[in-house]
Amino acid sequence: NAGVTQTPKFRVLKTGQSMTLLCAQDMNHEYMYWYRQDPGMGLRLIHYSVGEGTTAKGEVPDGYNVSRLKKQNFLLGLESAAPSQTSVYFCASRVDGGPTEAFFGQGTRLTVV
Amino acid sequence: KQEVTQIPAALSVPEGENLVLNCSFTDSAIYNLQWFRQDPGKGLTSLLLIQSSQREQTSGRLNASLDKSSGRSTLYIAASQPGDSATYLCAVTLNFGNEKLTFGTGTRLTIIP
Repeated sequence: NAGVTQTPKFRVLKTGQSMTLLCAQDMNHEYMYWYRQDPGMGLRLIHYSVGEGTTAKGEVPDGYNVSRLKKQNFLLGLESAAPSQTSVYFCASRVDGGPTEAFFGQGTRLTVV
Repeated sequence: KQEVTQIPAALSVPEGENLVLNCSFTDSAIYNLQWFRQDPGKGLTSLLLIQSSQREQTSGRLNASLDKSSGRSTLYIAASQPGDSATYLCAVTLNFGNEKLTFGTGTRLTIIP
């Protein structure tokens, strides 16, 4: 049972480069999320999706774009990476907006130099 | 805006002791509250979920309580073990906009053998 899988696990980017982080879930969940985790700041919501073809902004969306073309996949894009985007990125999913558990991936550690 | 606070930020206790971790939130109109565990360099693992209509949930040596009126939740760990060492995070969803989870910054727990 794979659950939530994030690709890649580690990445180093140069300032200005672009990349896409992939999140895949095999639980048929409607809701998917992208968070970033920084020391002393906890997890902050970047973008989220409540279903295939929908996306919405979270707390810290600037500099990121997302797409949910298939229900099982949620992509996070950085068009022009900045050192401030150095962080650990987590993807999560839930069945729907009811009182259901959220399940998390193992994280992607991104360093922008 | 919902704010979630976890105090203390770090806690060390000898093996075998019972302990309590605290989570407080500013908006009592929550839909549910979830406790997670995070090991260093890893993702988040769901421990317990309490719906707004519940007062507590139990799983093995863990017991989570919820007092919405005072904006507090506690996670009680009985007979602590070195394997319990990790960071513990709580997250809440609101009645309105219940698709989003808001996290506390966590308590880093160390169990001393």
